[in-house]
Amino acid sequence: ILNVEQSPQSLHVQEGDSTNFTCSFPSSNFYALHWYRWETAKSPEALFVMTLNGDEKKKGRISATLNTKEGYSYLYIKGSQPEDSATYLCASNRDDKIIFGKGTRLHILP
Amino acid sequence: DAGVIQSPRHEVTEMGQEVTLRCKPISGHDYLFWYRQTMMRGLELLIYFNNNVPIDDSGMPEDRFSAKMPNASFSTLKIQPSEPRDSAVYFCASSLAFGTGGLVFDQPQHFGDGTRLSIL
Repeated sequence: ILNVEQSPQSLHVQEGDSTNFTCSFPSSNFYALHWYRWETAKSPEALFVMTLNGDEKKKGRISATLNTKEGYSYLYIKGSQPEDSATYLCASNRDDKIIFGKGTRLHILP
Repeated sequence: DAGVIQSPRHEVTEMGQEVTLRCKPISGHDYLFWYRQTMMRGLELLIYFNNNVPIDDSGMPEDRFSAKMPNASFSTLKIQPSEPRDSAVYFCASSLAFGTGGLVFDQPQHFGDGTRLSIL
């Protein structure tokens, strides 16, 4: 993998359900992985920055894991709420570059 | 604390005109980044500065684009002459110094609200 890939591109989840999505990135020369939450008409807001293989971070109902050896990170949302509707971006820092994925657009259905 | 401040919020101008976008980073942040966001390519890093010095401008699309950071509290991104394909949302972001002093972007970035640029 040479680019940062996020899947799925779009996701519809019933309110109250839990969900997760994936960020895949080049595993060589890895330094850091960022997750951002981007609401419509606003700017991206940092959720997590992870650097070590096996890192797990949590903020309220949202958590993330990191596997640097295989080049992926998962973002989990437990008990989805309407305010979780947003685009979730990941970004990989490799060498002196930071490259963003195109995001997973999450829609929470009432 | 005030966040990253960008101006203008919206800019509409005719092809061939010079466009200047402005950014004030969060006070005390050592790094400043300029990004361009389009539907086709997503969020792309154009250039970033460390302590007012440009570090990597490999993302700047062509010579029509230039960026400066004359002091720690102000940066500009200039497009001259502008073209319709430059239409996009341009974001500025800032962050604290990286943990290991160099290549590791291990601090979160704080984004401004963006400038929506339309070139007619």
